[in-house]
Amino acid sequence: QKEVEQDPGPLSVPEGAIVSLNCTYSNSAFQYFMWYRQYSRKGPELLMYTYSSGNKEDGRFTAQVDKSSKYISLFIRDSQPSDSATYLCAMSGTYSGGGADGLTFGKGTHLIIQP
Amino acid sequence: DAGITQSPRHKVTETGTPVTLRCHQTENHRYMYWYRQDPGHGLRLIHYSYGVKDTDKGEVSDGYSVSRSKTEDFLLTLESATSSQTSVYFCAIKGTANTGELFFGEGSRLTVL
Repeated sequence: QKEVEQDPGPLSVPEGAIVSLNCTYSNSAFQYFMWYRQYSRKGPELLMYTYSSGNKEDGRFTAQVDKSSKYISLFIRDSQPSDSATYLCAMSGTYSGGGADGLTFGKGTHLIIQP
Repeated sequence: DAGITQSPRHKVTETGTPVTLRCHQTENHRYMYWYRQDPGHGLRLIHYSYGVKDTDKGEVSDGYSVSRSKTEDFLLTLESATSSQTSVYFCAIKGTANTGELFFGEGSRLTVL
């Protein structure tokens, strides 16, 4: 079983729809959860960061973590064509000084918002 | 903007030739990383550095070496490039918050013929 599972898509939705992107993981030591957005031929950019369980909202984006189910989600409200990108989830365990205990990534979900 | 510059951004080379990719940062961050990104595999860690002359291996380090002689520069070297090393290479730095967030460069696209 992979440490982090993420559906690669593509996920195609009409403009204005609510988008739900998800990852599951197996390592119960993960405590820090991130979502990155990557446009074609660009580097990943940090979109949302959450610690432990709960919700975090930033504009049209909401990140949700359910540690009991080992499941994280990213919701995008009022989706726009400019949201079309690949979204990668990432997570890490207890911070212990950096290094290879940095981040474990999902493979990314390719999202297409149709005008 | 995390102040990361990768060079070259694109390179085509032939099997067996040496290749060096450079990552330059302007913000004096201690931790720097090299990842490769391939379809179906996502981002995989090659090597990382936790200070000048301090480096360690990631999950896909075979065929790669790194060096960090200055805080601002982290070099990735392919001693003898192979076609399996055709990929997009990303440099990343760890942010100042102690939470594992990474900030990425724009990537270097390498094709080995």
